[in-house]
Amino acid sequence: AQKITQTQPGMFVQEKEAVTLDCTYDTSDPSYGLFWYKQPSSGEMIFLIYQGSYDQQNATEGRYSLNFQKARKSANLVISASQLGDSAMYFCAMREGFSGAQKLVFGQGTRLTINP
Amino acid sequence: NAGVTQTPKFRILKIGQSMTLQCTQDMNHNYMYWYRQDPGMGLKLIYYSVGAGITDKGEVPNGYNVSRSTTEDFPLRLELAAPSQTSVYFCASGRVNSPLHFGNGTRLTVT
Repeated sequence: AQKITQTQPGMFVQEKEAVTLDCTYDTSDPSYGLFWYKQPSSGEMIFLIYQGSYDQQNATEGRYSLNFQKARKSANLVISASQLGDSAMYFCAMREGFSGAQKLVFGQGTRLTINP
Repeated sequence: NAGVTQTPKFRILKIGQSMTLQCTQDMNHNYMYWYRQDPGMGLKLIYYSVGAGITDKGEVPNGYNVSRSTTEDFPLRLELAAPSQTSVYFCASGRVNSPLHFGNGTRLTVT
């Protein structure tokens, strides 16, 4: 069964608009963490934001925020005031448990294109 | 300020050849990982290590071997290359409950 689902293969957004990238997850472990990574065309993986399953507040990091809806098992990434440099692949990932190795499971990604 | 360094950046192998992908980190991280990324897909875990001398299988270990003789190095070995191993390989390292640091990847083509 797919543990991380990203249903948007591609998104096109005008510069300066906000964009929401969808991510749903499936786990029976009450302790888990959710991550978003950015992969520009150069290929490196860049960590953006993290949300733990017990965190009361939605995570925020600058222009990035995570809309965490635990009951719906969704962890959508919101990018405010998009910039041309935000054009990239975005991956949602999950780890189960908080101890030991971070065996991340990744979704298939969403390709975001910011239009000027 | 090197972080995680992977070599080579690119490699073309013939079917049946073998090679070792190198990975080294200078952050004294206990945990190290190898992922592969097939075209248009997310990353899948091949092997991981929780410290020197300790390794374990991930989701897609078949056709690969690893070793961890030092904290810094975590090489990935392909013994009999197959076209299905054409992929981009990422090495990563980290501490418990901290985001992973990824290398820049090795693009491998098996023909």
